[in-house]
Amino acid sequence: QVQLVESGGGVVQPGRSQRLSCAASGFVFSSYSMHWVRQAPGKGLEWVTTISYDGNSQYYGDSVKGRFTISRDTSKNTLFLQMDSLRPEDTAIYYCARSRVSFSKGEVGFDYWGQGTLVTVSS
Amino acid sequence: ENVLTQSPGTLSLSPGERATLSCRASQSVSTAYLSWYQQRPGQPPRLLIYGSSNRAAGVPERFSGRGSGTDFTLTISRLEPEDFAVYYCQQYGKTSWTFGQGTKVEFK
Repeated sequence: QVQLVESGGGVVQPGRSQRLSCAASGFVFSSYSMHWVRQAPGKGLEWVTTISYDGNSQYYGDSVKGRFTISRDTSKNTLFLQMDSLRPEDTAIYYCARSRVSFSKGEVGFDYWGQGTLVTVSS
Repeated sequence: ENVLTQSPGTLSLSPGERATLSCRASQSVSTAYLSWYQQRPGQPPRLLIYGSSNRAAGVPERFSGRGSGTDFTLTISRLEPEDFAVYYCQQYGKTSWTFGQGTKVEFK
């Protein structure tokens, strides 16, 4: 069965960096675009970034552009999110999610989600 | 950015009642690119509807979606206890995605 397991969350000081990982299993990882979506405490969902199935294209939300970098390692079936210059407003649960359709950007929905990892940016 | 506005913010209903949730976009959305998600407390979101009206795998028939252009609707025909949750619409456009702010369906 499809599984997505995030890790790497924790407490980090403003201005510092953190790297999140998402271990994927149960499907052909290299065939699916992947996404990070975050949710601040008590708030709604915010799309963060997307990487194409082949890793050649990345897309970012305006709030993280220039600070966050998405990448993937097909040999390890793992998705990454490198977060630099963190701000208190980046505090959230970060979910990784899979596109519903292989070889698409994810325009028709995200069908599998991990349980999320909490990142708290605070001094 | 295409802003999605969901209404109402909170819907207070009883089990067995019909729930109608609205999602209005600031710019036209392709029907193929409008999705709905359910999120229960402490859980990740769950895809319910994709392509405006197609139920995702395993989603009960009581959930239905419709709409076009800038106005979309999610309907739950008869609420079951497990349906009391927060619902989000999502759209894709020009290599970015946006979510609505959510509608909470709560027990009356």
